[in-house]
Amino acid sequence: NAGVMQNPRHLVRRRGQEARLRCSPMKGHSHVYWYRQLPEEGLKFMVYLQKENIIDESGMPKERFSAEFPKEGPSILRIQQVVRGDSAAYFCASSPYENIQYFGAGTRLSVL
Amino acid sequence: GENVEQHPSTLSVQEGDSAVIKCTYSDSASNYFPWYKQELGKGPQLIIDIRSNVGEKKDQRIAVTLNKTAKHFSLHITETQPEDSAVYFCAASIVSGGADGLTFGKGTHLIIQP
Repeated sequence: NAGVMQNPRHLVRRRGQEARLRCSPMKGHSHVYWYRQLPEEGLKFMVYLQKENIIDESGMPKERFSAEFPKEGPSILRIQQVVRGDSAAYFCASSPYENIQYFGAGTRLSVL
Repeated sequence: GENVEQHPSTLSVQEGDSAVIKCTYSDSASNYFPWYKQELGKGPQLIIDIRSNVGEKKDQRIAVTLNKTAKHFSLHITETQPEDSAVYFCAASIVSGGADGLTFGKGTHLIIQP
């Protein structure tokens, strides 16, 4: 049983470009969470999704950030018009039921 | 919202000794407390968790204790080994018919000295 798969592992974007981060949950998991980690910091919750629904987006910036988890395919975290402050590691976690969350290896976004 | 404080930020122990990492939380409604280990360049790995209806849980060399009154929980690692070197994060959340996002502490860098 493969773990949570995130791609790409590393992503470099110039200021103003769009970043798309993908997350495939573990087989049988219908809950997906996205977190952001700055250097030397803990993880900060961004958004919680179930298939085709956003359940909680209280940690996600109102502008430029969006997330989806379609009926088919991976969950996508999209950052439009990236700025240098968006540089961070973004982690996805999936869960088969409430609160046992398993994390992927992350996508490290660098904004030039 | 919930706030989780974690101490110490860095902990160095001799191989074979015990290590203790402490966390406090602010929201008395929190009832789920996992601990994660993160190695360099990797994602966090769940190592143990505890729910508020239990005061202590043990898994081989790892144990977690919870004091709901004090809103305090701790990770204990006994007989430490070099492969225990990593960053450890505590977290808290509310489980109530749904699954909240986790609130994490800032992490403890555990260094095992040979």
